[in-house]
Order: sequence, then C-alpha cells, then structure tokens
Amino acid sequence: GQNIDQPTEMTATEGAIVQINCTYQTSGFNGLFWYQQHAGEAPTFLSYNVLDGLEEKGRFSSFLSRSKGYSYLLLKELQMKDSASYLCAPCDSNYQLIWGAGTKLIIKP
Amino acid sequence: DGGITQSPKYLFRKEGQNVTLSCEQNLNHDAMYWYRQDPGQGLRLIYYSQIVNDFQKGDIAEGYSVSREKKESFPLTVTSAQKNPTAFYLCASSIVLAGGADEQFFGPGTRLTVL
Repeated sequence: GQNIDQPTEMTATEGAIVQINCTYQTSGFNGLFWYQQHAGEAPTFLSYNVLDGLEEKGRFSSFLSRSKGYSYLLLKELQMKDSASYLCAPCDSNYQLIWGAGTKLIIKP
Repeated sequence: DGGITQSPKYLFRKEGQNVTLSCEQNLNHDAMYWYRQDPGQGLRLIYYSQIVNDFQKGDIAEGYSVSREKKESFPLTVTSAQKNPTAFYLCASSIVLAGGADEQFFGPGTRLTVL
C-alpha cells in the first residue's frame, strides 16, 4: 500500500532552523512536493524534488533520497509567519499526489 | 488575476439534503481535483478530471458526484448518501504535462457543516 509518515507536530524558536522529515512508500514515484498550509486556508506550493539531492529556495530547502524513500524540508531563520502545517506529497506512478497528514509547526518567540 | 475560486466559504445544510459546491478556475488548466480534508488526516482525493466531459473516481468517491461540462468549472455535489459529509473541501487545478508531475493550485476551500 501507499504510506506517508511525518511528525504530527514540532515546535521551534523564532530565528532558529527546523527540519521536517517525511518517509514514504508509493506505487511508483514521480517526484515529491512540499506544501504549506495555514490554519483554515488552502495549501500553497513550496517545492518539488524529482532527483536526489538538495533544492534551495531562499529560507526553505528540500532534500530527497529516492533509494531511502525519504525527504526533508529545512526552514531557516524562522519567522512567526512560518507557523503552519507542512504537507509532504509524493507523486505515484499514475501522477497522483499522495498526501501526508502534515506536520504542524509551532514557532515560539 | 488568475486563480481558483470556491464558493461559499462556509456552508450549512440539514442532514438528508444534497448540496453542490462550486469551483471555477481561469488558469486555463486541463486538470481539476476535489479533495476532502479532515482534522489529523491528509487530503483525500474524491474525484478528478483531466479533460472536459471526463472524470475519474478518487479514493473516496462514494456519496459524491461531479460534472465537467466546461474547462473552467468542476462542481461537486455532496449527496445524502455520504455518511459523514462535514469536512473542509478543497478544489485544485493543474496543467497536464506529458510525462511529468504537475504542481496543483488550490482554491480557498469550502467548510461544509451538516446539521
């Protein structure tokens, strides 16, 4: 079956760095997406990885290891507005996104 | 401005009534999706459509119906057969790239409460 595993909740301090991990098992693989979702709002796209390695985009970076079925999202210089849920979504062989339950990130001053 | 609109943002219905949620996009995207989100769970796919007049069931299609008569519009009907309809409903759209995974753009969502 298909399965996504990411921590339910994490807490970090403003200005610090946090890493949100995601492990996955899917039927085939066509890349992995990370989305941010503020409470009560729609998810918004953060990153897409299809090859192994690190993709950097400003304060946010995303890493993928296809052989390990593993990805992480790295957030630097945390700001209060980064308090949100972060959704890991690998894409399966049918090009459908399989969504994790999300990691709720709480930023403390 | 290009984007996806869903209306209304909040919807209340009595048990046993059918209700239709609207989703419109002006991004010229071929594919459209309906998801349901419940607390503590990932998004679950209800229906999707990659072309006008064609749509496919997702993982939890029972009790729902859709139509795709226009490229811009993909309304979802929650029927009385859906046993637990109270949820946050999200509509999304994407370009369909040959041999590639596509970023999905989401509407603001409709929170449906069945009393």
